[in-house]
Amino acid sequence: QQQVRQSPQSLTVWEGETAILNCSYEDSTFDYFPWYHQFPGESPALLIAIRPVSNKKEDGRFTIFFNKREKKFSLHIADSQPGDSATYFCAASNYNQGKLIFGQGTKLSIKP
Amino acid sequence: NSKVIQTPRYLVKGQGQKAKMRCIPEKGHPVVFWYQQNKNNEFKFLINFQNQEVLQQIDMTEKRFSAECPSNSPCSLEIQSSEAGDSALYLCASSRDTGNTLYFGEGSRLIVV
Repeated sequence: QQQVRQSPQSLTVWEGETAILNCSYEDSTFDYFPWYHQFPGESPALLIAIRPVSNKKEDGRFTIFFNKREKKFSLHIADSQPGDSATYFCAASNYNQGKLIFGQGTKLSIKP
Repeated sequence: NSKVIQTPRYLVKGQGQKAKMRCIPEKGHPVVFWYQQNKNNEFKFLINFQNQEVLQQIDMTEKRFSAECPSNSPCSLEIQSSEAGDSALYLCASSRDTGNTLYFGEGSRLIVV
């Protein structure tokens, strides 16, 4: 199965809180898991990505937690800022397939 | 500051008209993807190329969609006979390799009236 499931569909957190976005997948051959964010009227841009050799990847306020056994991965945004308000997409692919399979997106709103 | 260049940014077509979009991938990226993003933000993979060869494509049995990536020319995606359901943002992305980061262009927004 090629699906990537993402939740929640929308999320509102207060400025300074940690936002947690979740994804799951079924294809055990997936070996690349990026997160993209997309602002209104713009194209998706890579935020952070992880490969299964690691179970955690950090880049500033953004952290991916990866659980290979459960086929789940999540994005944690620490100290959320109003400028983080956007739609976030998780995705997955493998080298042989090449194409990224995207989740349905989470619309994140940060309240000041 | 996308390095993947897509043109036009917007196009409006009547039903039954042709719609053609172009994409210049980032320099040094031999793999090119086309996605359709609908009004619900859902991504639909259409086709990808490595250099000029098709790697994967959806079942375009309607034959209304065609794409190519000729050498020394922009890649293109063409809809032969536009339908209202084709209204969407068409995103081109390029990558250094398969299974790697995709870098997206700004997209071509098609409106079919």
